[in-house]
This record gives sequence, C-alpha cells and structure tokens, in this order.
Amino acid sequence: DAMVIQNPRYQVTQFGKPVTLSCSQTLNHNVMYWYQQKSSQAPKLLFHYYDKDFNNEADTPDNFQSRRPNTSFCFLDIRSPGLGDAAMYLCATSTRTGGLTSATNEKLFFGSGTQLSVL
Amino acid sequence: TQLLEQSPQFLSIQEGENLTVYCNSSSVFSSLQWYRQEPGEGPVLLVTVVTGGEVKKLKRLTFQFGDARKDSSLHITAAQPGDTGLYLCAGAAGTYKYIFGTGTRLKVLA
Repeated sequence: DAMVIQNPRYQVTQFGKPVTLSCSQTLNHNVMYWYQQKSSQAPKLLFHYYDKDFNNEADTPDNFQSRRPNTSFCFLDIRSPGLGDAAMYLCATSTRTGGLTSATNEKLFFGSGTQLSVL
Repeated sequence: TQLLEQSPQFLSIQEGENLTVYCNSSSVFSSLQWYRQEPGEGPVLLVTVVTGGEVKKLKRLTFQFGDARKDSSLHITAAQPGDTGLYLCAGAAGTYKYIFGTGTRLKVLA
C-alpha cells in the first residue's frame, strides 16, 4: 500500500529543458515537502507546503518552483535544469500538526524518490 | 542556520561488531528523528526522541537524546548485514520544518 507515490522513478531531461516531477499521497497529510538529495549526501529541504501555504527555503534557487493544486498532489517544476540539478528528488509528507503536544508523533513519510539525470 | 553534523561519515565493520553514530548541533531541537535509507529508496523513520536525556530501544538499536537536546546518538549492538544503509538524523527546526544531518553510511560485512 504505497502512501507517498512519486512519478516517475527515473527521469532524464536535457540541459535547459523544463521538467516536472510528481508526488501524490493517500495519507491526507496537510504538510508536503520536496527535498533534493545528491549522491551520498543528506536530503536538502527545498520547500514545503502547509495546506496551500508555500514556504521556500532561502537558498532554494529560483529555477525550482512548486505547485500544490490539492491536498493529495504536489509538483516540482525545474524551469531550466542544469547539470548540477542532477539528483534524487524526494517528496515527503508529515503528521506534524504544529501543536505543542505533537512532537512524539512527528514523522516524515517519504516516497521512493525520482532520480533525475540531466544530459 | 541550524546544522546537524554526523560522525563518522563512513563506517565499515564486520558482522557482530558494535558501533555508535553521533549527531551533533549547536542548536536546540524540540525533537530529533533517526532514519535509515537504502539505495534508491526514501528514508524510513526508525525513532523520534523528544525529551532531553531520553533513551529509546528498537531491538538491537539504542537511541539517546542529549540532556540539552542538541545532540543524539545511535548505538547498534551486534551489527548485521541487514543494518547496512545510510543513517540520517533529522531535527525539527521550526514549524513543519525538518533539517537533516550530514549522514553516516554504514556497511556491515558478513
């Protein structure tokens, strides 16, 4: 029973050609995240949504955009991919409600990721 | 900027050995999580620690949260090849925001 689904698993694009990565969830979580993970490195947060509220990390390049049309779906758009954007892109959802008593149950649910190659 | 530094970065050990992985920061975190990630997959949560000084056990894995909630450790007893993977700590760094540590890549040889 896949809960966070990312499509496709592998994506190849050309330098400068726009690409969109997709994520869907069946958990009905209100928070969704996009992380970038380069080889053997830790995931780096790009942005996250709380419902429709979008939160961009200060060091996320303008080349990266995101859309969340509804609770279940979230998209990552890379407008002009460069060679340095080749990475695993991970989508995650969270149970965290932001309340003071929720910390024990905090958990990120990750999809299997999309491995992006830029030629 | 909140940073989580993990050590060691790489670890290769024989089956049956014990090991400890450290996750350190100069910042205080309201909670801290440990994940394991296998190649080509997303990270999977192992444990969440919330209270300073808290110790949690998950079979052969023991997790500890520092008293000041700035650091944590993961101890594996009698490591097995199935423990091989990338171990990541992650701290709650604000509302809905999680920052990951630098990662420890563990390889357990049979």
